[in-house]
Amino acid sequence: EPEVTQTPSHQVTQMGQEVILRCVPISNHLYFYWYRQILGQKVEFLVSFYNNEISEKSEIFDDQFSVERPDGSNFTLKIRSTKLEDSAMYFCASRTYATDTQYFGPGTRLTVL
Amino acid sequence: LAKTTQPISMDSYEGQEVNITCSHNNIATNDYITWYQQFPSQGPRFIIQGYKTKVTNEVASLFIPADRKSSTLSLPRVSLSDTAVYYCLALSGGYNKLIFGAGTRLAVHP
Repeated sequence: EPEVTQTPSHQVTQMGQEVILRCVPISNHLYFYWYRQILGQKVEFLVSFYNNEISEKSEIFDDQFSVERPDGSNFTLKIRSTKLEDSAMYFCASRTYATDTQYFGPGTRLTVL
Repeated sequence: LAKTTQPISMDSYEGQEVNITCSHNNIATNDYITWYQQFPSQGPRFIIQGYKTKVTNEVASLFIPADRKSSTLSLPRVSLSDTAVYYCLALSGGYNKLIFGAGTRLAVHP
């Protein structure tokens, strides 16, 4: 069964550093998402992406965040200058046009020191 | 998106049937009821979706009464591996983002 994959599984960085989280969505999916979950809290929507542009973003997704689909398979989330409060699990998700069921990846645990 | 309300936590024992009820009093005509499951340190996983009456798949059943103001996720004969957080969401067709609440934390005991 096709799966969404994410790398790395765990990323440790220093405050102020840039990080790029990578996702490979399921191959025939057209809609892509990033969510985050701070330890012990709810899963929060960050951004959705379709047809090579952002279709919606949350208040969390400020100027420090950006997304890109650099080629036909990868979908990346960049945080330009990390803060301590960016420490969280980051989940990528994707879906087809035909259904609203989103398939989530295993997540990247980001730790900002 | 319709607001959903579900119990914070539930406990059960292996082999029992578990029913998790979700209230969605202001559900819209176009909304579907969708349930996700999340294990610790993993991404949410789609379980089941329905509009009304009963839907069954290999994992669970979903019961939605005629007024659609509530729904019940039924997990038959749970095992320890069903210990997870279960989220109830009301989704309109084509709606982009998923809005997760706190979910129901199910603990299955031996």
